[in-house]
Amino acid sequence: KAGVTQTPRYLIKTRGQQVTLSCSPISGHRSVSWYQQTPGQGLQFLFEYFSETQRNKGNFPGRFSGRQFSNSRSEMNVSTLELGDSALYLCASSHSPLAGGFQETQYFGPGTRLLVL
Amino acid sequence: GENVEQHPSTLSVQEGDSAVIKCTYSDSASNYFPWYKQELGKGPQLIIDIRSNVGEKKDQRIAVTLNKTAKHFSLHITETQPEDSAVYFCAATRRAGGTSYGKLTFGQGTILTVHP
Repeated sequence: KAGVTQTPRYLIKTRGQQVTLSCSPISGHRSVSWYQQTPGQGLQFLFEYFSETQRNKGNFPGRFSGRQFSNSRSEMNVSTLELGDSALYLCASSHSPLAGGFQETQYFGPGTRLLVL
Repeated sequence: GENVEQHPSTLSVQEGDSAVIKCTYSDSASNYFPWYKQELGKGPQLIIDIRSNVGEKKDQRIAVTLNKTAKHFSLHITETQPEDSAVYFCAATRRAGGTSYGKLTFGQGTILTVHP
């Protein structure tokens, strides 16, 4: 079974631009979570999608947004890029857990490394 | 919200020695604790996880222990090999639902170096 794939793997943008990153989950997985990884802040949760609906959101400004398609693929968008947005953006997929049950295991993709100049 | 503290930040061992990484969490409602290994240029890879209904889990050279009362859990790697060198992250999360869907709270990571 193929793992989580993310495109592109590397991206260079300038301040003020916007960027869209893509994630294809493991076949059969319907939940997709996004994380930002930086040396200073570590791994931080951005948001989670299931069945085309955002179910959870971390503490990031509204410039960070996402969506999920009917085939469970997901995209995240960052508008008006700032230097501090330079990071590795990771996508993880899992089976959606039952509400109130244990979280399902999350499997990560290789990430998209974004550099903002 | 949940807060996870991980120690040590760096760990250097000789090949064949054991390595132990410890994490503490703040939210007593957390009940799922995965460990990830991240190699340079790659995404985190799950190596073992434990749920709150068990106290210990082992998979070959890797084991995890959980102390719910003290709110801490540990990763134990025995007979370390150079290929174990990587950054290791612990994480915690509570039952799925509401503001917990899909959200893992990670520790700051431990850089493990295994010297041949």
